[in-house]
Amino acid sequence: EPEVTQTPSHQVTQMGQEVILRCVPISNHLYFYWYRQILGQKVEFLVSFYNNEISEKSEIFDDQFSVERPDGSNFTLKIRSTKLEDSAMYFCASRPGQAVETQYFGPGTRLLVL
Amino acid sequence: KQEVTQIPAALSVPEGENLVLNCSFTDSAIYNLQWFRQDPGKGLTSLLLIQSSQREQTSGRLNASLDKSSGRSTLYIAASQPGDSATYLCAAHPPPIGQNFVFGPGTRLSVLP
Repeated sequence: EPEVTQTPSHQVTQMGQEVILRCVPISNHLYFYWYRQILGQKVEFLVSFYNNEISEKSEIFDDQFSVERPDGSNFTLKIRSTKLEDSAMYFCASRPGQAVETQYFGPGTRLLVL
Repeated sequence: KQEVTQIPAALSVPEGENLVLNCSFTDSAIYNLQWFRQDPGKGLTSLLLIQSSQREQTSGRLNASLDKSSGRSTLYIAASQPGDSATYLCAAHPPPIGQNFVFGPGTRLSVLP
């Protein structure tokens, strides 16, 4: 069964460094999302992406964050200058299209900023 | 602003018991509501999605109901098994379709053999 994949599974970085989290959504899906979950807290929406542009972003998704779909398969989340509070599990999700609302989530990347 | 809550926060039951998990949302103008399962340190697995026009959805031993007027959804698990042990999250999807999910904090379920 097709699934969303994410790499790396774990990443440790120093504060101020740039990180890129990678996701490969299910092929033929059209809508893409990033969520994060700080340890012990709720899953929070970051950004949604459709037709090669951001369709919605939350207050969390400030100028430090960016998303890109550089080719037909990858969907990336870049954090330009990481802060301690960026430490969290980051989930990518994708959805087939207008007629199907179910979002399919990847296994997540655990980011630790030191 | 949509807020989603879940009770109880944690639940421990013996194997074989039927159980109900509760989800409440503050704004009844939802597009749909989805239940997820999250295993420790892992991603989210979609269990059931209920459209705003539907009252319930069933999949195997799982049944989810939706009452928009009261702002509630329940997830019923029949004949619970140790493998059902996980955190169960509900997420409300406000309209329009392009909007994001708003998640509840989850109910941590332990099914004891």
